[in-house]
Amino acid sequence: AQTVTQSQPEMSVQEAETVTLSCTYDTSESDYYLFWYKQPPSRQMILVIRQEAYKQQNATENRFSVNFQKAAKSFSLKISDSQLGDAAMYFCAYRSRLIFGQGTTLQVKP
Amino acid sequence: DTAVSQTPKYLVTQMGNDKSIKCEQNLGHDTMYWYKQDSKKFLKIMFSYNNKELIINETVPNRFSPKSPDKAHLNLHINSLELGDSAVYFCASSQVLAGGITDTQYFGPGTRLTVL
Repeated sequence: AQTVTQSQPEMSVQEAETVTLSCTYDTSESDYYLFWYKQPPSRQMILVIRQEAYKQQNATENRFSVNFQKAAKSFSLKISDSQLGDAAMYFCAYRSRLIFGQGTTLQVKP
Repeated sequence: DTAVSQTPKYLVTQMGNDKSIKCEQNLGHDTMYWYKQDSKKFLKIMFSYNNKELIINETVPNRFSPKSPDKAHLNLHINSLELGDSAVYFCASSQVLAGGITDTQYFGPGTRLTVL
């Protein structure tokens, strides 16, 4: 069975600085997608970034980038130049049934 | 413009009642889902429909019955509501790609159900 683990229940970062949220997963499959979703207080689930497992290049979306280590089954999210609007709960997810990690609450300090 | 919509956004009801939550997507996706998010924010899939057929049915009480009248709609009916059903319920949709891999899921705004 696939599992997704986020070992950091809470993180904090100073505005304008960089923070990395970690995620590990376990699977025996070779083709899959990985996602980071953001859930602000409004509750809406918002896709931040996605990574195809067959691509070696790490996905990047503006200030958000991932460090995808397929062999290590690691999929961390780096947020550069953190903004107050980045404060939210962040979920790492694995494709198919979209299995979610436990979530990491990110606080951004002004 | 709304991609995935759910109604109602808030639902407060008494134990024992029957209620429904509706979901509609205008993205042309072939797969829709229902998730439950508990008070600890943990998201768990309940059901998934692909082209109106049930393909995932996690361990969910029989009181929960999804219905998909067409590819764009997936409604959730709950009978005999219990206190433990209080949660936020999210609908989502996606397209299944070649090889069965699920593309990005788009979520509705959620329905906060409170059972008194």
